[in-house]
Amino acid sequence: DVVMTQSPLSLPVTLGQPASISCRSSQSLVHSDGNTYLNWFQQRPGQSPRRLIYQVSNRDSGVPDRFSGSGSGTDFTLKISRVEAEDVGVYYCMEGTHWPLTFGGGTKVEIK
Amino acid sequence: EVQLVESGGGLVRPGGSLRLSCAASGFTVSSNYMSWVRQAPGKGLEWVSVTYSGGSTYYADSVKGRFTISRDNSKNSLYLQMNTLRGEDTAVYYCARGPPDDFSAFDIWGQGTMVTVSS
Repeated sequence: DVVMTQSPLSLPVTLGQPASISCRSSQSLVHSDGNTYLNWFQQRPGQSPRRLIYQVSNRDSGVPDRFSGSGSGTDFTLKISRVEAEDVGVYYCMEGTHWPLTFGGGTKVEIK
Repeated sequence: EVQLVESGGGLVRPGGSLRLSCAASGFTVSSNYMSWVRQAPGKGLEWVSVTYSGGSTYYADSVKGRFTISRDNSKNSLYLQMNTLRGEDTAVYYCARGPPDDFSAFDIWGQGTMVTVSS
């Protein structure tokens, strides 16, 4: 199985400052069809997960443009350009290239 | 409104069975990939199972042989039959939609239903 490793586990951030979450996979996430199936989800306290980014860098409609995804192969990053109070929660990467589908362990973003 | 609503969770003894339901509205289950994802208390997300529009099904090793995913297109609903339940199956179970062009890009999630396996 592919192992998805996120870092850091916890990310205290000052409001208005940038934040960056790393996600590394144990195998390349480039599919045989040429696409890279790497998604990012946000889970606010007490809520269901919500998709932010799909296929590495495609931001969902309604997701603020302060969120961006990048990376390739085995190394991926989610960036928040200026953290706001509503961004508090746990962020998960998830790969969809290999079976079984695998989530990273999560990164908890909190306000300092 | 596009949404998923799960039901059927509850308390069950080890070795018991439970059937979860997920009712979809605003889109057709038959045209999409549909998955179950679970989250143990205080833990991360774990993919459990997926059913394809063509009827194929896949399972995580942790539930293979014990859980069965299915859907009823006439009711626009997804199900998860869970047998031989264990304590480690205790979790919130979410159903999630995967778009036709990317089954893993879960764009719609339900609110979840809690399953507790305990004697």
